[in-house]
Amino acid sequence: EAGVAQSPRYKIIEKRQSVAFWCNPISGHATLYWYQQILGQGPKLLIQFQNNGVVDDSQLPKDRFSAERLKGVDSTLKIQPAKLEDSAVYLCASSSINRGNTEAFFGQGTRLTVV
Amino acid sequence: GEDVEQSLFLSVREGDSSVINCTYTDSSSTYLYWYKQEPGAGLQLLTYIFSNMDMKQDQRLTVLLNKKDKHLSLRIADTQTGDSAIYFCAERDSSASKIIFGSGTRLSIRP
Repeated sequence: EAGVAQSPRYKIIEKRQSVAFWCNPISGHATLYWYQQILGQGPKLLIQFQNNGVVDDSQLPKDRFSAERLKGVDSTLKIQPAKLEDSAVYLCASSSINRGNTEAFFGQGTRLTVV
Repeated sequence: GEDVEQSLFLSVREGDSSVINCTYTDSSSTYLYWYKQEPGAGLQLLTYIFSNMDMKQDQRLTVLLNKKDKHLSLRIADTQTGDSAIYFCAERDSSASKIIFGSGTRLSIRP
């Protein structure tokens, strides 16, 4: 079974530019999460989808971050415009509703550096 | 609000047991997790325990849960150099199903 796929692995942009990250969850997983992990900290949930609906986006900075999961499978996370403090690893994870969302599996992450 | 706390560092000698501790605040947590993160890698789910259990063993890993004190620990027996990583404790609340992580404990192994 293939794991959670993310791209790109690394991205360097200047502040005020925009950037997008892509995630393909494990096949059949209806729940998808985007986490932000700043260096030296634990991951922080940005947004959680169930199919193509948003379950929780309470910690998503909506003035600059947006995410979509139009067909309930792949998802993109966008930052526009980026700030220096957005430098972090962006992790995507997925879990199966049929298994009660018990286990969340993570991708390798996208490391974003804003200069 | 929900919070998960861990000590930042742990150093153990190769072959000894490692014990990583965690405390959490949400009494409605349903599942508690241990994830491992190696440098440059994503998070690997090591093990998890349901909140109505007090112990779970899986090969070299033993998880102990004290629900009264909201304390979770991970014991790694016969610690090897390959166990060097950051270990994250996490909880899932019963309502929103989101997973909340601690700041991680960096485990280093000395010869």
